[in-house]
Amino acid sequence: DTAVSQTPKYLVTQMGNDKSIKCEQNLGHDTMYWYKQDSKKFLKIMFSYNNKELIINETVPNRFSPKSPDKAHLNLHINSLELGDSAVYFCASSPPASHQETQYFGPGTRLLVL
Amino acid sequence: AQKVTQAQTEISVVEKEDVTLDCVYETRDTTYYLFWYKQPPSGELVFLIRRNSFDEQNEISGRYSWNFQKSTSSFNFTITASQVVDSAVYFCALSEGDDKIIFGKGTRLHILP
Repeated sequence: DTAVSQTPKYLVTQMGNDKSIKCEQNLGHDTMYWYKQDSKKFLKIMFSYNNKELIINETVPNRFSPKSPDKAHLNLHINSLELGDSAVYFCASSPPASHQETQYFGPGTRLLVL
Repeated sequence: AQKVTQAQTEISVVEKEDVTLDCVYETRDTTYYLFWYKQPPSGELVFLIRRNSFDEQNEISGRYSWNFQKSTSSFNFTITASQVVDSAVYFCALSEGDDKIIFGKGTRLHILP
């Protein structure tokens, strides 16, 4: 059983399009995250939601909008895609209550903007 | 200032050699957590270990061992008798008083047969 799943695994699209990446976790975790990994493998947090509430919002263009319909899902919508958005996007989740819990990552979504 | 420094960008060793991946962190908090993650060529991120700042005891898990030293703000990772399957990018990470994990830039490890 997949703990943290993301769809799609690969996404190739044209500049200017709008696209969404979906994330689901079946671990019963309260907190979910989106990370971006650039071409140099640098991983950086973008957003964090706890029980559907936004708690971390790093300096990310407002073309990126996370949406959490319930605590098991955290989707990432990207408007007006740009070439620089090409990256691997990882979703992660962590258990409730305390901070600094281990985060478990999804398999990643490889986004290529042409 | 960079909070997690992995000075070794890339390392190559021959199979069965031991290899140590360095990680130096920076924090003003007294309570923090350190992590190591592995990213194999397939791309997923695999959790290896989590250590809190109050537990300086070194840990061994099979061929993997971790050396946490607060005096030098280091959390180094050693693979003993390396194998080709250990080839991956390894990330050290730090979590302070919030839910963010700050990752180092990673060390790409090549194990040569």
